[in-house]
Amino acid sequence: DIQMTQSPSSLSAAVGDSVTITCRASQDISHYLAWFQQKPGKAPKSLIFGASNLEGGVPSRFSGSGSGTVFSLTISRLQPEDFATYYCQHYSREPPSFGQGTKVDIK
Amino acid sequence: DVQLLESGGDLIQPGGSLRLSCAASGFSFSSSAMNWVRQSPGKGLQWVSAISGSGATTYYADSVDGRFTISRDNAKRTLFLQMTSLTAEDTAVYYCAKERGEFWTGYNDFWGQGTLVTVAS
Repeated sequence: DIQMTQSPSSLSAAVGDSVTITCRASQDISHYLAWFQQKPGKAPKSLIFGASNLEGGVPSRFSGSGSGTVFSLTISRLQPEDFATYYCQHYSREPPSFGQGTKVDIK
Repeated sequence: DVQLLESGGDLIQPGGSLRLSCAASGFSFSSSAMNWVRQSPGKGLQWVSAISGSGATTYYADSVDGRFTISRDNAKRTLFLQMTSLTAEDTAVYYCAKERGEFWTGYNDFWGQGTLVTVAS
């Protein structure tokens, strides 16, 4: 099975900052990488698929990049509603799997 | 609007069985593959099972294969997960999630709010 490793596990940032979260796959997953946002007690929300494609309605301050085994999610100009936990997930083959999450909180 | 509403979560004893349901609306249910994904504090997010839009093809994580059965009733726009031989390791919030197309890819563009399954004596 493919293992997904996110870094950092948590970070503190201020409104207006830009942050980058990294996700590494244990094997080549091409561009089959998604990013999700989850707030406490809520369902995950899909942000990005295909490594860099924004889901409809997702603000353009979110961007994704990477291919193969190393990927990143960048949030530019953090807004108060962006403080949450972010997960990456590969879907290149069965079984799909998730990173352990990165919690973004307010500095 | 797309809506996925899970139900059926409960406190159940080890070795017991439970059936989860997910009522779908706001999209073409029969044209969407569906997934169950669970989340527990100890194991994070874990994909559990998937089914194609027609219901003809199913997929299972190794940890639940042979114990869980996924199915769907397209006429009633409802997804099911029959769970048997439950253990404490199955304790989690179970989410149903939809895909864009009929055939399973593993990527979900919308998730329900989840239903809590607690396995304990």
